[in-house]
Amino acid sequence: NAGVTQTPKFQVLKTGQSMTLQCAQDMNHEYMSWYRQDPGMGLRLIHYSVGAGITDQGEVPNGYNVSRSTTEDFPLRLLSAAPSQTSVYFCASSLQGPDTQYFGPGTRLTVL
Amino acid sequence: DAKTTQPTSMDCAEGRAANLPCNHSTISGNEYVYWYRQIHSQGPQYIIHGLKNNETNEMASLIITEDRKSSTLILPHATLRDTAVYYCIVRVVGTYKYIFGTGTRLKVLA
Repeated sequence: NAGVTQTPKFQVLKTGQSMTLQCAQDMNHEYMSWYRQDPGMGLRLIHYSVGAGITDQGEVPNGYNVSRSTTEDFPLRLLSAAPSQTSVYFCASSLQGPDTQYFGPGTRLTVL
Repeated sequence: DAKTTQPTSMDCAEGRAANLPCNHSTISGNEYVYWYRQIHSQGPQYIIHGLKNNETNEMASLIITEDRKSSTLILPHATLRDTAVYYCIVRVVGTYKYIFGTGTRLKVLA
């Protein structure tokens, strides 16, 4: 199993640009989530999904959209990037609920 | 959601036990305590979790006080590879939200 994979590893955007961060898992996990981690801080939940077709907001959802059309994929879309979205983004999955989450390697995003 | 308080940093000699404390004085009866760690800038790694009984797995032991207001993660024989930031997290059963704090930066010294 590849586990949780994220692409790209690094990205630089200009203010106002949009992009999609990709996340995939091959463990047939129902639960997937997106976090952001700002320098020196813990992780904050952006959005999560409890299964295909079901998503919900976390702690800091503004400026981000998600969809879950398949069990394997959970992309995160930045609609209009802002410098405040400069962060490291982690995707995670677990079999059911947020117990024993497996995290991806992260995407380091810089918005200029 | 209950919040957690952890020391900012700790040192531990290699081969000795590392005891990482966490205060969660506002924890409710149905809230679990989870521990994750983050090595360098990698994605966090699950370590252990518990409700009120002490728990042990191949990585660590979790000791939860009887009143559940605090807990201690024990790495029995710390190695250099255990140098990481350790997060103590509380989650309410039935919700899908972890509240990560800033964690404890553990440095294992040779």
